[in-house]
Amino acid sequence: SQTIHQWPATLVQPVGSPLSLECTVEGTSNPNLYWYRQAAGRGLQLLFYSVGIGQISSEVPQNLSASRPQDRQFILSSKKLLLSDSGFYLCAWGDRALAKNIQYFGAGTRLSVL
Amino acid sequence: GESVGLHLPTLSVQEGDNSIINCAYSNSASDYFIWYKQESGKGPQFIIDIRSNMDKRQGQRVTVLLNKTVKHLSLQIAATQPGDSAVYFCAENDDYGQNFVFGPGTRLSVLP
Repeated sequence: SQTIHQWPATLVQPVGSPLSLECTVEGTSNPNLYWYRQAAGRGLQLLFYSVGIGQISSEVPQNLSASRPQDRQFILSSKKLLLSDSGFYLCAWGDRALAKNIQYFGAGTRLSVL
Repeated sequence: GESVGLHLPTLSVQEGDNSIINCAYSNSASDYFIWYKQESGKGPQFIIDIRSNMDKRQGQRVTVLLNKTVKHLSLQIAATQPGDSAVYFCAENDDYGQNFVFGPGTRLSVLP
């Protein structure tokens, strides 16, 4: 069966510090991968998605970047965090071999920038 | 973009009653829809999906209804239980078929 791992679960970082959040998927090959941000009490905002190694699409201009160095690894980064980067970050994967591109989510990382 | 000061809609139901959570979507070209459940501090979990060639789909204790005429989606939960307390999101498939657009969510609170 497929599983998705996301870490860390919580992170407190000072303004101006770098960020690296990692997401890995097991039990599937060539998945679509996604990074979302969720502000408190809000819906999900798609940040990046990837259909293959090295292929990253950005949905919104921002202080963050994403990379996919391996087929089942997706990394969210920042060189210098801003206060506004605080939020709940979710990684998701989808099996694009299926007609239904259902997205399955990780447990999330709660980031607090102070 | 998001509206400043937007509050999450909340639905409170008595344990054992049926719940109906509604969602309006905007894109008439959307042809696939999903409902997700998100418990506090966790990632969203897939509940049920429906394609636009259907009006209704049933799962275990859940039913999704789709009204394409008015672009409305609803999730019905039968005999609501305390474990159903969560935020529920609808998601519509976007024009390119790769990604989903998520609704703002509805918080369901089950009262004892």
